Amino acid sequence: QQQVKQSPQSLIVQKGGISIINCAYENTAFDYFPWYQQFPGKGPALLIAIRPDVSEKKEGRFTISFNKSAKQFSLHIMDSQPGDSATYFCAASILGSGNEKLTFGTGTRLTIIP
Amino acid sequence: NAGVMQNPRHLVRRRGQEARLRCSPMKGHSHVYWYRQLPEEGLKFMVYLQKENIIDESGMPKERFSAEFPKEGPSILRIQQVVRGDSAAYFCASSRSGVTDTQYFGPGTRLTVL
Repeated sequence: QQQVKQSPQSLIVQKGGISIINCAYENTAFDYFPWYQQFPGKGPALLIAIRPDVSEKKEGRFTISFNKSAKQFSLHIMDSQPGDSATYFCAASILGSGNEKLTFGTGTRLTIIP
Repeated sequence: NAGVMQNPRHLVRRRGQEARLRCSPMKGHSHVYWYRQLPEEGLKFMVYLQKENIIDESGMPKERFSAEFPKEGPSILRIQQVVRGDSAAYFCASSRSGVTDTQYFGPGTRLTVL
């Protein structure tokens, strides 16, 4: 049972454009939604995260939009750069539960072209 | 401050052999999570450990797999009698408290079973 669904599987965006990656979750107990960035041969690195008490969080060129009623959240990368080319994973967990294991989406391979 | 360390980075085993994967958490972190990433897939939770305790092993196969996090030394993920289907990247992540705290990932161990 896949509890976090991510789309698209791959994405090609022109330099300077907006990259948008979407995720949907099923478990309404999830209350922490991080995005991780992974470069080839490396481990995932936390990019940005949101709690469901806000609908949007922005850090630099990266924004998370969150829709609690639809159980969906998305990552927007503004002014996309070639250095943003990586695989992005959304995830979800339950904070304060004593077990904050992450449930990951299947990943989006983002390629930024000149 | 060194990040999460994993070794070996690459491990090749023949079917039926044992694989031992090591994870040294960040300094001051006493919570370790292990995840497995199959080719072209997202990360899947395997096991969550605190020092000398297994908190949640619900994602770990019941047979051939075991994990430990001793009072002294790294966390160990052990796979006995490896099969080709065990070929994957294994990542560990550590956090300070396990409650409302970011998980930091290591670079992973890429296991290849011949």
